[in-house]
Amino acid sequence: QKEVEQNSGPLSVPEGAIASLNCTYSDRVSQSFFWYRQYSGKSPELIMSIYSNGDKEDGRFTAQLNKASQYVSLLIRDSQPSDSATYLCAVSRSSASKIIFGSGTRLSIRP
Amino acid sequence: DAGVTQSPTHLIKTRGQQVTLRCSPKSGHDTVSWYQQALGQGPQFIFQYYEEEERQRGNFPDRFSGHQFPNYSSELNVNALLLGDSALYLCASSRRQGFIREQYFGPGTRLTVT
Repeated sequence: QKEVEQNSGPLSVPEGAIASLNCTYSDRVSQSFFWYRQYSGKSPELIMSIYSNGDKEDGRFTAQLNKASQYVSLLIRDSQPSDSATYLCAVSRSSASKIIFGSGTRLSIRP
Repeated sequence: DAGVTQSPTHLIKTRGQQVTLRCSPKSGHDTVSWYQQALGQGPQFIFQYYEEEERQRGNFPDRFSGHQFPNYSSELNVNALLLGDSALYLCASSRRQGFIREQYFGPGTRLTVT
């Protein structure tokens, strides 16, 4: 079992719709959860972090965390073509810990 | 406020050679982590430096070594290069203390081993 699992996609979503990206993790001690966006040929860019159960909203992005189910998700509202990228889910145990990444989900927003 | 910087951006080496990659952390950050990202995969943790010492290490052989300088910048060295070392090498910086736990990545160094 991988430590952080994501569907590789591609996930195709029409422009203006809600894109839903999901991630599960195996380490119950994980305390910090991150979503990174990575455009082809570029480095990962942090878009959301979440530490407590529930929802966290930032603009068009909402991160959802359920520690009991070991599940993290990212919702992107009003999807734009510029949202087309690979989204990496990442977890860590503490501020001093390494971050463990999933393999990423490719998201494609179709006009 | 300068972000994380890395050099060089691209590098081509031959099998058996050695390579050194460099990273300067974001202003205010004291911890540097290095990752290797193969095509189509997520970044894999190599090691982390704080206070000029290696604090954690991932599943990478001793051919991979590093250093952190007093100004928090860091180097990644890879000896006896293999074809499989071809990847994007990413440096991420963070602040070890406090509640903020995010790591921010530099632009990466694309290493090609022929």
